[in-house]
Amino acid sequence: GAGVSQSPRYKVAKRGQDVALRCDPISGHVSLFWYQQALGQGPEFLTYFQNEAQLDKSGLPSDRFFAERPEGSVSTLKIQRTQKEDSAVYLCASSFRTGWTASGRDRGNIQYFGAGTRLSVL
Amino acid sequence: SQQGEEDPQALSIQEGENATMNCSYKTSINNLQWYRQNSGRGLVHLILIRSNEREKHSGRLRVTLDTSKKSSSLLITASRAADTASYFCATAQEAGANSKLTFGKGITLSVRP
Repeated sequence: GAGVSQSPRYKVAKRGQDVALRCDPISGHVSLFWYQQALGQGPEFLTYFQNEAQLDKSGLPSDRFFAERPEGSVSTLKIQRTQKEDSAVYLCASSFRTGWTASGRDRGNIQYFGAGTRLSVL
Repeated sequence: SQQGEEDPQALSIQEGENATMNCSYKTSINNLQWYRQNSGRGLVHLILIRSNEREKHSGRLRVTLDTSKKSSSLLITASRAADTASYFCATAQEAGANSKLTFGKGITLSVRP
């Protein structure tokens, strides 16, 4: 089906405002990841879900960042009381569960990315 | 923190030439992947090489991996203007769909028509 969809594409927030970023993964993908990409840098891991369970949130930079995936499909990344340093592109990626076949093994390692949400905090 | 360091940071070549990009990483890995990112877009997976593989080909792409040196290279042969993009290497410490990727800072490739 369609690829990973993220909304909004662009978000401008005033410092102190709360924002919510949405990710629609590819249908049937079990795993979902959030990454933060600062200007001129590579993406950095924020958090990971397997179905609805958040199994790794070690990359979240502060307790102002919160992510959820309540029904194991759509995910929302929420940033409370935004700060200027939160300005970045937020990328969502999803991937298959690893398959048993030789060709399926690699599929489970590949992540499919959305176009991202560019957040600018003024 | 970024795991990988790509080299060079920027590369400009003429259409038809080959482009070679290098990546080094710090910790042991299960696999290494290369992704491409066009301006303002998400990342697109190009090729994956496992830690027990030394070389892999896919179309005009050739990737090598030297685990003793903790380094990889990506070769794009017969480059096209459409190859202009940023390229990132990413490492996974575990196998499977639950393994987060650790990216380098990226290489900006410009292919002149």
